[in-house]
Amino acid sequence: GQQLNQSPQSMFIQEGEDVSMNCTSSSIFNTWLWYKQDPGEGPVLLIALYKAGELTSNGRLTAQFGITRKDSFLNISASIPSDVGIYFCAGSPFSNNAGNMLTFGGGTRLMVKP
Amino acid sequence: EAQVTQNPRYLITVTGKKLTVTCSQNMNHEYMSWYRQDPGLGLRQIYYSMNVEVTDKGDVPEGYKVSRKEKRNFPLILESPSPNQTSLYFCASRDNLNTEAFFGQGTRLTVV
Repeated sequence: GQQLNQSPQSMFIQEGEDVSMNCTSSSIFNTWLWYKQDPGEGPVLLIALYKAGELTSNGRLTAQFGITRKDSFLNISASIPSDVGIYFCAGSPFSNNAGNMLTFGGGTRLMVKP
Repeated sequence: EAQVTQNPRYLITVTGKKLTVTCSQNMNHEYMSWYRQDPGLGLRQIYYSMNVEVTDKGDVPEGYKVSRKEKRNFPLILESPSPNQTSLYFCASRDNLNTEAFFGQGTRLTVV
């Protein structure tokens, strides 16, 4: 299947710092999603992106759909301890959800030191 | 409350003993899917279903079976589990209009 390369694999930062992570694909995606997984829970959707170049915010989170359609970025500003978790990017080549479901990146494990 | 429910949450079993992990959603979603999560590999799709009686293989289907006899349920069946199927499993669903998938809380399976 398709592969998504997500980096970094893990980050250990100080509370208050900004965080940036990204995903790249070898093929074009028409939808990019960012999920967060808390320990012991399933992934929960943070931000959905449907248009190349789109920049969308959700509180302290901002995500961008790369103009080439082969990458996406997630930024977290002023991190707090509850930001701890695993962040996954996910993509779909379909814009209207026809066909198969999502391809996921390998995840970025975020740890925040108070 | 809209949700995807998996059972059991934790299971330890022995090699070769058939098991079923159930998944149920109350959102009337057409699409359902099973993923396994392994360190560094993210979530890999095992099987998916686009509607009742319509199922297809994902990226890692070997050793698994599924069925979709009703819209709300999508059980994952391991006929003869092996230790390499030790993993964290997630069921997900979505409707046919949106990409966003809703996930269950996960089932941690250990095969010894």
